[in-house]
Parts: sequence; C-alpha cells; structure tokens
Amino acid sequence: AQSVTQLDSQVPVFEEAPVELRCNYSSSVSVYLFWYVQYPNQGLQLLLKYLSGSTLVKGINGFEAEFNKSQTSFHLRKPSVHISDTAEYFCAVISSGSARQLTFGSGTQLTVLP
Amino acid sequence: ETGVTQTPRHLVMGMTNKKSLKCEQHLGHNAMYWYKQSAKKPLELMFVYNFKEQTENNSVPSRFSPECPNSSHLFLHLHTLQPEDSALYLCASSQDRETGGGGYTFGSGTRLTVV
Repeated sequence: AQSVTQLDSQVPVFEEAPVELRCNYSSSVSVYLFWYVQYPNQGLQLLLKYLSGSTLVKGINGFEAEFNKSQTSFHLRKPSVHISDTAEYFCAVISSGSARQLTFGSGTQLTVLP
Repeated sequence: ETGVTQTPRHLVMGMTNKKSLKCEQHLGHNAMYWYKQSAKKPLELMFVYNFKEQTENNSVPSRFSPECPNSSHLFLHLHTLQPEDSALYLCASSQDRETGGGGYTFGSGTRLTVV
C-alpha cells in the first residue's frame, strides 16, 4: 500500500520569502510523484512531476521539487513567493505496482502575506 | 481550460431531488475518475472507469450512481442526497489505469450544496 504525508497543514509566509512544503511518501515499490495546486473554487492543476532521471524537477510558476529516495521525500520549494501563490498544494503518488491509483496527501494551505 | 470540463460549476439541490453531474474530456484519455473533496478532509476517490468499464467503487453509497457511456464522458447521477454530501466533486482523467506517468488531469469541479 502507498501513502502520502504532508507534514504541514498550513504554511504562512511573507511575500518574496522562500518556502518549502514538505511531503513524505511510503511505498514498497518505485513511484511516480506529483505536486498539484488548487486555487479557491477551482480544480487541481499539475505543478510538476517526477517519473525518473534527475531528482530535481522544475515545474510551472517557479516551483521545483527534489526527489530523495533514501528519505522518501518530495519537498516542494520556491525561492521567492508571490501573493498569487496563495493556494492549497497537494502531494500525490502513483506506485509502479498493478494498482496505479493516484493517492493524495491531505494538502498544505500556503498563505502568502503582504 | 484544462481539457476536462465539468458542468454545472455550482448546484444546489434538495434532499428529494435528482440531478446529474457531467464530465467531458477530449484528451484521448481512457480512464476517468470521480473524487469528492470535503472541507478539512483528504480527497476521496469515489469511482474509477477504465476503457468505459467501472473498475473501482470505493464503498460509495448507492445514492451516487456513475455512468460512463464512452471514454470521453462521465456522469454522476445523484438522488436522495444528505446534507453531508455537500462538497466539491472533481472529475479527472488519465491515459489509462495502467500508465501512471502522465498523472491525472482534473476539471474545475462542481460545488454541490444539499439543502
């Protein structure tokens, strides 16, 4: 079975400050990892994904994430946030096993303060 | 526009009403999903269709009835709902059930309020 843990339910940060949203996963097989963003009253939009290869993945809106297999983590980072980055962020995993179900973490609400 | 379109965007219905949610994708995907997103709760997978066949029903009450007439369309028929069914219902699609690398593409959701 696979699971995803997002360690922080809420992260307030000031505009132009760096931010890291933490994600840890558990799976007995290799995985694909994703970060989605959800703006108020909207669906989920794919920010970035890790399938294989380079462990540092760059996504849209200046976000990047690093896959760390030994720590089973896939933390999301941005060096300088904007007010418009205020949203809920979901980490998700698909394992390479037969049940390729996308499992989500519980989400992290990022609030960027002026 | 994400490639997955959900209608209506908002729906208010009484507990005795019957309504349907619609999801449409033209991405050439063969798997479609219904998720429920309630306040302060994780996303809940409700149903999965792969090549028009239902492959998962995650213990969803029978007052929710999915229908997938073809790979591009997915419906969720609703009847005799309860107030606790109020939530954002999200539709998603993916290449198919077995190909995981593409991730899922989500619609904007239908905000359902049961009164």
